[in-house]
Amino acid sequence: AQSVTQLDSQVPVFEEAPVELRCNYSSSVSVYLFWYVQYPNQGLQLLLKYLSGSTLVKGINGFEAEFNKSQTSFHLRKPSVHISDTAEYFCAVSEGGYQKVTFGIGTKLQVIP
Amino acid sequence: DAMVIQNPRYQVTQFGKPVTLSCSQTLNHNVMYWYQQKSSQAPKLLFHYYDKDFNNEADTPDNFQSRRPNTSFCFLDIRSPGLGDAAMYLCATSKTGVAEAFFGQGTRLTVV
Repeated sequence: AQSVTQLDSQVPVFEEAPVELRCNYSSSVSVYLFWYVQYPNQGLQLLLKYLSGSTLVKGINGFEAEFNKSQTSFHLRKPSVHISDTAEYFCAVSEGGYQKVTFGIGTKLQVIP
Repeated sequence: DAMVIQNPRYQVTQFGKPVTLSCSQTLNHNVMYWYQQKSSQAPKLLFHYYDKDFNNEADTPDNFQSRRPNTSFCFLDIRSPGLGDAAMYLCATSKTGVAEAFFGQGTRLTVV
């Protein structure tokens, strides 16, 4: 069975500082990996996805993530955060096709002015 | 714009009173999902439809049912809501061969 571990429940960071949100996964087969963002009382919005190919994936709002198969990680990074990045971020995995997505518990990013 | 729409955004229901949440999509996706998300927790899959085929998660309580009358619409029925069912309910869609899921804005359910 697939699973996702997000190592940090909350990450405070000053505005314009870099940030990394950590994600590790486990699966017995090849996976697709995702990062979603959720603003308060909103649904989930896809930030970026890894399906295959280049291990460095660029997404919306200046975010990027790197797939590391040997470490089973898919950490999310942004070189300079903005106040508007304050939200909850979910790492997710699916085992291909349309298959159901399993989410991590989420990391709350708080950007401090 | 093609999208996933959930109605209502906020729903208050009485303990034990049946309630229905709705989801519609203009993406023409063949797969539709219902997730439950409690405060500070990950979204948890309740069930999904692959075309007309209903797939229930093993740990989804019998209190939760779903209907999909056509490709565009899907409903979540909670037969007898308890206080523990208060949560955000998220509808999502995807398409065979497309890995990502597209989410609606969610319905925040309060049980009083």
